[in-house]
Parts: sequence; C-alpha cells; structure tokens
Amino acid sequence: EVQLVESGGGLARPGGSLRLSCAASGFAFSDYPMTWVRQAPGRGLEWVAIISISGSSIYYADSMKGRFTISRDNSKNTVFLQVNSLRVGDTAIYYCGKVSNWGSWYFDLWGRGTLVTVSS
Amino acid sequence: QSALTQPPSVSGSPGQSVTISCIDTSSDIPNYNRVSWYQQTPGTAPKLVIYEVTNRPSGVPDRFSGSKSGNTASLTISGLQTEDEADYYCSSYTSRSTVIFGGGTKVTVL
Repeated sequence: EVQLVESGGGLARPGGSLRLSCAASGFAFSDYPMTWVRQAPGRGLEWVAIISISGSSIYYADSMKGRFTISRDNSKNTVFLQVNSLRVGDTAIYYCGKVSNWGSWYFDLWGRGTLVTVSS
Repeated sequence: QSALTQPPSVSGSPGQSVTISCIDTSSDIPNYNRVSWYQQTPGTAPKLVIYEVTNRPSGVPDRFSGSKSGNTASLTISGLQTEDEADYYCSSYTSRSTVIFGGGTKVTVL
C-alpha cells in the first residue's frame, strides 16, 4: 500500500525540541522530493519545507527558517523534521507529503499527520 | 509578502456549480503554472484534486476543474454532490522557491 506515516509528535514544553519522522512505503521514496506542511487547530494549511531527492536542495518558508530542519534518509525511506526552540504557536498537526516532482511542487500523497502540542 | 486570498465560504445545492477563487496579491499565479488545489474533510489529511492549474489526478471526478486568469486561479465544482462538502485550499509555487497556501474555503452543500 502506498502510504506515509508520521510519528514523533506529542506534548512538548516551550523551548524544547522535537524530531518528527515520516516513513514512506509502497513507492520509490528515493525518486521523489518530500515536504512538510502544518495545520494549527482550526486553522488553514501552512507550508514548512521541501527537500530534494538527494537532500542537496532544501527550502523553508520564511517563518520557519532557523528553528526547523528538514532531512531525509533514503536507505530508511524516511523524511524528518527537527523543530527546536519550540513555541506555543508551533502547536499543530504536522503532515508530510510526497512531492510529484521538483519542477511542479504539488503534493500528491499525504500522511495522516502527527499532532504536536507545545504547552507549559 | 506573497498571499493567496480565498473566500471563507461558498455554498450550493446538489447539482449546482460553485466556483472558488484564489486571488494572488503578488505575481506568482500569473508567472507560474504551479497552482494546485486540495480538498480536506474534517479530521482527515488534505487530498490533491487539481494540479498545474487544470489537471486532475487519477480518481478525482471530472466535475472538479481548475483554471486561471491573470492573478486569479479558480476551482469549479460542477454538479455539486454531498460528498464534496469540505474545505478547499489553493496553493502556488512562488518566485522565492517557496509554497504558499490560501486561507481555505468551506464548501457547504445545502
């Protein structure tokens, strides 16, 4: 089955860190760029970052630069999102997505998401 | 700062057509054919319904169609069905090599 499964979310304290994972299966993971998108409770979608097939090209939303790091391990079919210096405003469902190709940047497969709650 | 503006809500009766607009305050929609649309029902992940302005992924009904004119992209749902009730988000690639989403539009089937 073609799917993406996120993990690593949970309750975290402000100032802390989390590493989110997204495991891919059912398709050739190393052939596709990957992305992360988040959604705060009751809010819209917010794009976070994208990583190329090899990991050599990475782009972040302006508001995510500095505290967020996207990476991938093609040997494990997994993409990661490291979030540091967590803020209450980072509370959201974090979705990973498969990118169709580097030229188009649309997301044709999404995981179910992992909930990150930042609270003291 | 790029921004995509969508109406908060649209509604229609079964069988009617509804159109959701996505207005770009910068120049990304006019300059790139990289507009996509996503459907999200409550408690579920978004689902791609239109890519590259006008293309439908396999499995998406042909009542969904996309277009663009100038700085505005549009998603039209023809022959509205109850299962089309959802939130819809437009998205565009930007000149800064980022992706932006619109604020989302709630489609209600009356």
